[in-house]
Amino acid sequence: DTEVTQTPKHLVMGMTNKKSLKCEQHMGHRAMYWYKQKAKKPPELMFVYSYEKLSINESVPSRFSPECPNSSLLNLHLHALQPEDSALYLCASSQTPGTSYEQYFGPGTRLTVT
Amino acid sequence: RKEVEQDPGPFNVPEGATVAFNCTYSNSASQSFFWYRQDCRKEPKLLMSVYSSGNEDGRFTAQLNRASQYISLLIRDSKLSDSATYLCVVSLFGNQFYFGTGTSLTVIP
Repeated sequence: DTEVTQTPKHLVMGMTNKKSLKCEQHMGHRAMYWYKQKAKKPPELMFVYSYEKLSINESVPSRFSPECPNSSLLNLHLHALQPEDSALYLCASSQTPGTSYEQYFGPGTRLTVT
Repeated sequence: RKEVEQDPGPFNVPEGATVAFNCTYSNSASQSFFWYRQDCRKEPKLLMSVYSSGNEDGRFTAQLNRASQYISLLIRDSKLSDSATYLCVVSLFGNQFYFGTGTSLTVIP
């Protein structure tokens, strides 16, 4: 079962709100990723977790705060976002960090910041 | 210089046509190569991994040329359902994945 789930599917939030995006996989994958995707652009990497530890942070503003509570879950906490942060946020996982396995993506959360 | 370059298209082809996409990558240490397909407002889905010897999956054939640092995807007998954006993805050190800009394909009846 190659499935990554994400909640919520859609989220509208004001610039002063705090919200969280959730991602879950039960494939035993030990690498998990957050991407941001704007319309007609490829996904842009935000964060990588390897064995539940943050291994890559692509200079993402601190208003985005990732968390990996366990090997199956990945959260992205949002606070004081800007309208330009509106995008599709994709979670992905891959089998083992440092190897050549493919990534599997969740359906994404479509975020609108008003 | 971008890690992965793709012709964004769009490619508009009639049903039944054969279409090829190419992708070049800049880092010769790249280890793994993939083609993903992304439908409008959906997530990328793995189409196929690309192996050094080339590989085929039905109407789809992927090739890798390490010497020239390019990857190709050939789609034979195009179907309407093949209309999508095709993303070339290159992996370096296993957990760094670099995406091309994507190539848009529309198959016309």
